[in-house]
Amino acid sequence: GEDVEQSLFLSVREGDSSVINCTYTDSSSTYLYWYKQEPGAGLQLLTYIFSNMDMKQDQRLTVLLNKKDKHLSLRIADTQTGDSAIYFCAEKTGGATNKLIFGTGTLLAVQP
Amino acid sequence: SQTIHQWPATLVQPVGSPLSLECTVEGTSNPNLYWYRQAAGRGLQLLFYSVGIGQISSEVPQNLSASRPQDRQFILSSKKLLLSDSGFYLCAWTPSGGARNEQFFGPGTRLTVL
Repeated sequence: GEDVEQSLFLSVREGDSSVINCTYTDSSSTYLYWYKQEPGAGLQLLTYIFSNMDMKQDQRLTVLLNKKDKHLSLRIADTQTGDSAIYFCAEKTGGATNKLIFGTGTLLAVQP
Repeated sequence: SQTIHQWPATLVQPVGSPLSLECTVEGTSNPNLYWYRQAAGRGLQLLFYSVGIGQISSEVPQNLSASRPQDRQFILSSKKLLLSDSGFYLCAWTPSGGARNEQFFGPGTRLTVL
């Protein structure tokens, strides 16, 4: 079945880079996404990557996709305290479904 | 631009009482709509999704139901709430027919069942 896994927690110091990892099982995934959730709020779409790409960069965010290993990562450069949140990866699986499969979320704590 | 609204923002209800949560989307037509529940601040569980008026797909068996009486309105209901229904309920939409299917989320409703 479809499964998306993430580590539960990551702690970094302000100014360092953060790398949040995600693994998925469906090799037919077409798009993969990163969402950010701040406390008590809904999910905010940060970025996405199409499955035929290896990398996508958007300002401080870099997404790397290793399709062979079914591994997705989100790198945040110069991490700030405002980046503290839960980060979810999600995949759009192949086929006619309109659903996304979400990971369990990684809590990023940025220490000043 | 498109916006998505949910209300109420917070709700405290006794066990056995009914529930009605509302979600509306503005600035788009014929969106796909979704209801998720997030327990303990982590993990999203898809409850229902809808590709059109009156078309509801249920993902998990439960005492909740969903309805879509209008194109941009999605309602989550229960006749009798259980303690286990407590959680953070999120509504999301996505453009119909799009290839990317990125979902855009509302601000959520915090439900506490006592």
